[in-house]
Amino acid sequence: EIVLTQSPVFLSLSPGERATLLCRASQSVPRKYFAWYQQKPGQAPRLLIYGASVRATGIPDRFSGSGSGTDFSLTISRLEPEDFTVYYCQQYATSPLTFGGGTKVEIK
Amino acid sequence: EVQLLESGGGLVQPGGSLRLSCAASGFTFSSYAISWVRQAPGKGLEWVSSISASGKNTSYTDSVKGRFTVFRDKTKNTVYLQMNSLRAEDTAFYYCAKYSSGWYLENWFDSWGQGTLVTVSS
Repeated sequence: EIVLTQSPVFLSLSPGERATLLCRASQSVPRKYFAWYQQKPGQAPRLLIYGASVRATGIPDRFSGSGSGTDFSLTISRLEPEDFTVYYCQQYATSPLTFGGGTKVEIK
Repeated sequence: EVQLLESGGGLVQPGGSLRLSCAASGFTFSSYAISWVRQAPGKGLEWVSSISASGKNTSYTDSVKGRFTVFRDKTKNTVYLQMNSLRAEDTAFYYCAKYSSGWYLENWFDSWGQGTLVTVSS
């Protein structure tokens, strides 16, 4: 099983600042099998990024993904009020599919 | 517009059974794989099970193998999760999620339902 470790667990920033969320895999994951999801309170997760760097339909360009091998990142260039929530990374290269534990972006 | 609507959750005693449903609309049901993902209250996401577009192939996380069964009915555009021998640790919100293609490996979840809560308690 590929274990995904997200850091930091909590990220305190102000609106307009840049956020960088990290996800480290216990073994190498091909870029094309890596995704990021956003989950707001009381809602289902929403796909942000797939293939490590491809924005899903309707996702603003302030969201970007990068990385390869065991280290991936999600960057939010300028935080908007609606971006303060929880983010999960996921690998879909091998079964079982696994998610990271999440990073909560909170208002400083 | 893709819609996935889960139902069937509720309170059940340990050892009991429930059947969850995921009613799909807004896309060609028989062309896409579907998964169940759960989330214990206040916790992270955990993949539970997947079924291919054809329904011929399924996969489960180890903790539910032999207890849960996933299947789909193309006449009703619905995917089901039959859950038997339920345990307290199965308590969670259960989401169904649509894959980006007909196969459940090497593909991402592009749409999610709103979830249904399963509580296993005496």
